[in-house]
Formats: sequence, C-alpha cells, structure tokens
Amino acid sequence: QVQLQESGPGLVKPSETLSLTCTVSGASIESNSFAWIRQPPGKGLEWIGTLYHSGSTNYNPSLKSRVTISLDTSKDRISLELNSVTAADSAVYYCARDVLPFDFWGQGLLVTVSS
Amino acid sequence: EIVMTQTPLSLSVTPGQPASISCKSSQSLLHSDGKTYLYWYLQKPGQSPQLLIYEVSNRFSGVPDRFSGSGSGTDFTLKISRVEAEDVGVYYCMQSRQFPKTFGQGTKVEI
Repeated sequence: QVQLQESGPGLVKPSETLSLTCTVSGASIESNSFAWIRQPPGKGLEWIGTLYHSGSTNYNPSLKSRVTISLDTSKDRISLELNSVTAADSAVYYCARDVLPFDFWGQGLLVTVSS
Repeated sequence: EIVMTQTPLSLSVTPGQPASISCKSSQSLLHSDGKTYLYWYLQKPGQSPQLLIYEVSNRFSGVPDRFSGSGSGTDFTLKISRVEAEDVGVYYCMQSRQFPKTFGQGTKVEI
C-alpha cells in the first residue's frame, strides 16, 4: 500500500519561505510522479504542481513564480518550497501520488501564515 | 484554464435513495489519445480526498459498485445508486486534460 506523510512547520511568517517534505513508502519514488495540492480552510482544492518520474516538473501558473518541487532520492522524499508567502497561502497542504492522478494522498498538513 | 462547475453545491439525501452530481467543464476533456481526463474524488469529514472514479467511468480499487460515473465531452455525472451513511462528505470533479489541473467547487452531500 502506498503511504505518504507530509511534514514541516505549521507556522510560517509572511514574506518567508514555506518548506514541506513528503515521505513516501510502498512506492518507488524514482518511478512514480508526485504532486502537491492545497486546500485553504473551508475551501476547495488547488493543484500546486507535479514532479514527474522523469525529473521534470509542471506548476500551476498562479504559483509558478514562487514554487519549487524537488526530489530527495537519498531519503525517499519530495520537497515543496513556496516563497514570499502571504496569509492567502494558509492552507492544508497535501502530497499525492500523481499516477491516475492523485490515487493516493497523505493526511495533509495545516500551514498557517502569520506573524 | 479549464473551469469545472459542479451542481448542486449541496445535496441532502436519504439512505437507500439514489443521488446524482453534475460536473461541467468549460472545454472538452476528450484528448486526441481517445481518453477523457475526468476524475471524481470524495473528501469525507476530517479526511484527505480519495479517488473514486478515473477517466469518467472507471472505479478505483476498492470503490463500491454503487458509485458510477458517466458523461462525455464537457458534461459528466457521478451517481450513487443507493446512498449509505458513509458516503457523506464533499465530492469533487477534476480535469487533467490540460494544465493546470483544476477541480470543481465541490458538492457537499449530507444525510
């Protein structure tokens, strides 16, 4: 069974960088594609971007200038960095395997942007 | 970007009765490869979303057969033949025909 677990700080200050990691088990991190998706409190889902098994990435244009998704093969982790955050970036951040797509999801991590 | 519009936004259902959710896309989701890239997810209260249906009508592993998907082009429907208490939550349609991948607003299903 594929399992994903998000981790990182739950509180980030405005203008700083949000950095999260997703630890994967039950699936090869190098032969699968993985995505980050977020959900502001009480709102719907927004795709942030996908890291493909080829190593290429695709980002939502609304975030493209601020986001980086990368792979840490030594630790079976996928990283998300979102810089220059504002209160509008407060959300539950999910990582998901992007094969079908989004066939397996992590439990999500609430990140609040506040001073 | 492709806009996904779901109706209704909320739905009150009776256990054992059928339910239906509509999803319309602003552009056709039919790809030149012959596949239609429309998906349905259910987010149960306090949980992460889970994949129910992929490519319009294929049930994901472990999804009960009371869930079915249909449609083509820009109009799609998720049907629950007999609603059970465990089916409550918010249902989302999603398209991956074109980047960015986009979700509908969600339909909240209550008993």
